[in-house]
Amino acid sequence: AQSVTQLGSHVSVSEGALVLLRCNYSSSVPPYLFWYVQYPNQGLQLLLKYTSAATLVKGINGFEAEFKKSETSFHLTKPSAHMSDAAEYFCAVGASGGYNKLIFGAGTRLAVHP
Amino acid sequence: GAGVSQSPRYKVAKRGQDVALRCDPISGHVSLFWYQQALGQGPEFLTYFQNEAQLDKSGLPSDRFFAERPEGSVSTLKIQRTQQEDSAVYLCASSFAPTGKNTEAFFGQGTRLTVV
Repeated sequence: AQSVTQLGSHVSVSEGALVLLRCNYSSSVPPYLFWYVQYPNQGLQLLLKYTSAATLVKGINGFEAEFKKSETSFHLTKPSAHMSDAAEYFCAVGASGGYNKLIFGAGTRLAVHP
Repeated sequence: GAGVSQSPRYKVAKRGQDVALRCDPISGHVSLFWYQQALGQGPEFLTYFQNEAQLDKSGLPSDRFFAERPEGSVSTLKIQRTQQEDSAVYLCASSFAPTGKNTEAFFGQGTRLTVV
């Protein structure tokens, strides 16, 4: 069975500091991995996705993530946090079965303070 | 439309009442998903449609939950005899490709259901 674990339900950083949100996955088949962002009272927006091409994936808003098979990790990073990055972030794995059914982690709420 | 539209945005139901939640996917999108997001949790898969066919309903928590997409576009999620544990945000998502694994799923803003 596939699963996703996000370490840290809350992360707080200063504006301009490095953002690191952790995600570990479990999958018996090569995974398809995603990061989504959710702003208050909004739906989910795709930040980036890993589909077995390059292991370093660049997404929108300056975010990137690196797929590390040996560590079963797909951590999300951004070199310099902006106030507008404050939101909830979800890591997800695409379940096997031929369509894009997603299994989500519990989420990490990112706070950015001046 | 430009994006996935869900209605109503907010619904308060008395325990035991039936509710119907509507999803208008992006025009031309073949795949449609429903997810349930409890407070403080990540979304959990409920059901999947490919056009009008419901190919996966493994996530529906009980037989009180029913979903349909009769013409392969608009979908309705119905919950009968609502209970307090049904309180959650219900998210709809659609994607263009029917079977591709790499296609982005576009999410609606969700319907927040509160059962009192």
